Parts: sequence; C-alpha cells; structure tokens
Amino acid sequence: QKEVEQDPGPLSVPEGAIVSLNCTYSNSAFQYFMWYRQYSRKGPELLMYTYSSGNKEDGRFTAQVDKSSKYISLFIRDSQPSDSATYLCAMRPNAGNMLTFGGGTRLMVKP
Amino acid sequence: DVKVTQSSRYLVKRTGEKVFLECVQDMDHENMFWYRQDPGLGLRLIYFSYDVKMKEKGDIPEGYSVSREKKERFSLILESASTNQTSMYLCASKVTDTQYFGPGTRLTVL
Repeated sequence: QKEVEQDPGPLSVPEGAIVSLNCTYSNSAFQYFMWYRQYSRKGPELLMYTYSSGNKEDGRFTAQVDKSSKYISLFIRDSQPSDSATYLCAMRPNAGNMLTFGGGTRLMVKP
Repeated sequence: DVKVTQSSRYLVKRTGEKVFLECVQDMDHENMFWYRQDPGLGLRLIYFSYDVKMKEKGDIPEGYSVSREKKERFSLILESASTNQTSMYLCASKVTDTQYFGPGTRLTVL
C-alpha cells in the first residue's frame, strides 16, 4: 500500500463547478501538507501549504486537513478552464526535507 | 522569480549509455532534489543535496548517482541506462517548504 493515495482521475467538471480533490495517507507523523499544480509539459508549482489540521483559504482555493482521518482535501470554487491541470498532494513529517507525493489527480474543467 | 532550468526537455538514449541530466537554479538555494515522475506513481525522490558536495539517497537511488560541485548546479547521472529508467525527470530547489521545479526532462531509453 502506498503511503499517500490519490485518485488519478481524470475528473471532468463544467466551468463554474466546485471541485473537491482528496488524498489519504497512512503515516501519522506527517505534519506539513501541500498541494502542487502541474500543467501539461511543465514542472509542479506550489499552490497551497498547511501545517497540521484545519483549513486554509486563498482566493478560490481552500485546503483542508483532517489528521484524525488522515485525509486532506483541496476545494476549488468557481472552477475555470485554466484550472485544468494535474493536482498533486505532498506531505512530510516535522523533521527532514523529504516530501512524499500522491500520484496526482488530473482535472479537466470544460467551458 | 525563481528559475530552475534543466539541460534538455527530451532525450533519447540507448541501453548501456551513460546519461547526464543537469539542473541549474539561480536563487542560491542550498537544497536541491532529483525526482522521477511516472504515471500513477507520482513523484519519487531519487537523491537530494543539502549543500555543495553533500548528498543523501531518496526512495529510489538504485542505478543513479549525483554530483554537486557548485551550489547552483545539481547533476543526475545514469551510469548505464536501462529501459526501466525511461521516465520524466524533475529537478527542484527549495527554500523553507517551497520546492521550485524545473520543466522536466523526458528520457527515453531504447
């Protein structure tokens, strides 16, 4: 079993929809949680970063962490065609440099 | 803006060849990383370096080596390329908890 699981999709939604992307993990030591967005033929870029449990909002994006369930989510409100990309969750424990990534979910937002 | 560049976007090599992938960052970051990305497997860490001449193995170092002679440059070496090393290779540099990725090199080993 992988340490971080993510549904690969593709997830296809109409423009304006609310999108929910999720990851589950097995290592209870993970404390820092990130979401990266990767456009086709580009490297990933950091989208959201949270520490421990709770919510964080940035514009149309909300990251949510539920450590008791070992479950993290990224919500995108009013989705746009420009949000079409692969979204990767990543996480790490308190100490160390190494991130553990999920496999990524491909999102397609149709006009 | 942080810039991480990789020497090639696409590379085709033959089995047994020695392959060099180069990565350069322009932000004086101490930490640099090499990942490979395969469908459904996400990014897997091959090696990382936290300073010049310093390196640590990641999750899948077998078949790879690295070199960091200068702070801005981190090279990934495939000593004898094999077909199972066909993949997308991504380099990143890091400050605090933000990793900045290069555009990737798609390597095909025939």
